[in-house]
Amino acid sequence: NAGVTQTPKFRVLKTGQSMTLLCAQDMNHEYMYWYRQDPGMGLRLIHYSVGEGTTAKGEVPDGYNVSRLKKQNFLLGLESAAPSQTSVYFCASSYEAEARSHRNEQFFGPGTRLTVL
Amino acid sequence: DAKTTQPPSMDCAEGRAANLPCNHSTISGNEYVYWYRQIHSQGPQYIIHGLKNNETNEMASLIITEDRKSSTLILPHATLRDTAVYYCISTGTASKLTFGTGTRLQVTL
Repeated sequence: NAGVTQTPKFRVLKTGQSMTLLCAQDMNHEYMYWYRQDPGMGLRLIHYSVGEGTTAKGEVPDGYNVSRLKKQNFLLGLESAAPSQTSVYFCASSYEAEARSHRNEQFFGPGTRLTVL
Repeated sequence: DAKTTQPPSMDCAEGRAANLPCNHSTISGNEYVYWYRQIHSQGPQYIIHGLKNNETNEMASLIITEDRKSSTLILPHATLRDTAVYYCISTGTASKLTFGTGTRLQVTL
């Protein structure tokens, strides 16, 4: 099992450029998440998905779009990158999301380091 | 979700127990306490979670006070590989985790 993988690992963009970050998981998880982490800060939830074909906004969704066309993939798009979007982006997945469940732990990918000039 | 408060940093000698406190005085009845850790710049790793009973797994123990206003994560025999930022999260749904700035645990020889 590869777990959660993210592509690319690093990227430098110019302001106004667009890009898509790919997250893939091979654990048959229903739930997938995109977070961003700024220097010295904790992670903040951008968008999440509770199943194939569904997406929902998290804490900081502005400037991002997502799609979950296949269960194993969750794409994060930046249509017009801004320097404020310079961050490390983490993807995660979980089998369930009920707090009382013992299968709700989130498994994280290695991150994508994005710099917007 | 209830706000959590953690000390910004702690030190622990290798081989000793590391006790990481967390205050969640405004926790509501349906909110669980989760612990994750982040080693260097890797993605966070789940450690443990609980509601009101103490929990133990192969990584750690979670002790929640009877009034549920605080908890302690215990790493029984800390090693250098346990050096990380530890996040305490209180939430009623595991799909919306709010990571604060956590506690930076430094394990030393």
